[in-house]
Amino acid sequence: DGGITQSPKYLFRKEGQNVTLSCEQNLNHDAMYWYRQDPGQGLRLIYYSQIVNDFQKGDIAEGYSVSREKKESFPLTVTSAQKNPTAFYLCASSIGGDYEQFFGPGTRLTVL
Amino acid sequence: GDSVTQMEGPVTLSEEAFLTINCTYTATGYPSLFWYVQYPGEGLQLLLKATKADDKGSNKGFEATYRKETTSFHLEKGSVQVSDSAVYFCALIDNAGGTSYGKLTFGQGTILTVHP
Repeated sequence: DGGITQSPKYLFRKEGQNVTLSCEQNLNHDAMYWYRQDPGQGLRLIYYSQIVNDFQKGDIAEGYSVSREKKESFPLTVTSAQKNPTAFYLCASSIGGDYEQFFGPGTRLTVL
Repeated sequence: GDSVTQMEGPVTLSEEAFLTINCTYTATGYPSLFWYVQYPGEGLQLLLKATKADDKGSNKGFEATYRKETTSFHLEKGSVQVSDSAVYFCALIDNAGGTSYGKLTFGQGTILTVHP
């Protein structure tokens, strides 16, 4: 079955450490996205990529970095520069910019 | 900028009750509209969509009609079930001038709880 996988489901990090969240899709989608969700709020866009080897900052990119070396993979690194990293992180993909996005199951990151 | 406003929750209903979750939007261009559902601890699932005015999206008994004149996309279901308990998000992609990069603008979400 085609879909989006994110790993791990739960992640714990000590302050000052970088951590990388995995996102893989086998839908053959060109566009991929990373969102952050905080309790009681909607989703906010961190980074997006419309094509391999290209990505752009979203609304809250500070303290995060991404890469897009392969079409199916879009890993997100949460750096120590992110002041409040504890959140639920969701990866999504779509055929292209104007089309509906399909979401992965999410990774819950907790900074200890 | 673009924005989506949903009715505040939480919404609590008895099984078989009628559901309405209001959603209004502001957008520069001609947005596509979506409803997503999120079950506890999971990612978002696309529930339904509409891409132009007067379109009606429907899925699993849920419906929403794209009303350009009132800039609304209210979600309705005639008879809710306990299994419908979840968080519902209204969202848009604005294709203003063909410059859309697929950014979804979300409402804050509405928590729905259905009791037996």
